[in-house]
Amino acid sequence: DAGITQSPRYKITETGRQVTLMCHQTWSHSYMFWYRQDLGHGLRLIYYSAAADITDKGEVPDGYVVSRSKTENFPLTLESATRSQTSVYFCASKGDFYGYTFGSGTRLTVV
Amino acid sequence: AQTVTQSQPEMSVQEAETVTLSCTYDTSESDYYLFWYKQPPSRQMILVIRQEAYKQQNATENRFSVNFQKAAKSFSLKISDSQLGDAAMYFCAYLTPYSGGSNYKLTFGKGTLLTVNP
Repeated sequence: DAGITQSPRYKITETGRQVTLMCHQTWSHSYMFWYRQDLGHGLRLIYYSAAADITDKGEVPDGYVVSRSKTENFPLTLESATRSQTSVYFCASKGDFYGYTFGSGTRLTVV
Repeated sequence: AQTVTQSQPEMSVQEAETVTLSCTYDTSESDYYLFWYKQPPSRQMILVIRQEAYKQQNATENRFSVNFQKAAKSFSLKISDSQLGDAAMYFCAYLTPYSGGSNYKLTFGKGTLLTVNP
């Protein structure tokens, strides 16, 4: 099906572990984004990408790494997970006429 | 940097009644887009309505309409004939529509949790 697929939907990991959240789009949208959602903060931008091999920091990038070797994939890696990174993570892409599509989110718990 | 403020963390409305959710924003730009997104318990982000700043006419989508006051930098969402399925978190969002400095980044408010009472 066309759209954005995020995996996993739920993830529990231990403090200090590396974890990667996956995001795949079936279109060829240039712009992709990673947001985290926390109660009382709304959605905050972690990283974004304007095209393959072009990424840049958003509002809250510390502790995260992204890559984009292919247009359709935009994985987010937590290099050493901390409890403060417990959150819901959303991947999104920008289509034509400022239509944004969001994935269904990954709920990450760091214990 | 642009900021979006939703001053109502929670709202409630009776089924079939009307409710208005508030949103204000801060920007020095003259051309921009504003959005309302709905997030039900499924977590899916659903676009409810959007407004282009250059348009004076308020956007409307069925039971959803906005009151866009550009000078006051206000963008409220009115839901008429509220239904149980309208219960969700609602986010207001802002976008500067050119790739120069903004890189098409959406800026969100903190959200308003809407409860619909039967």
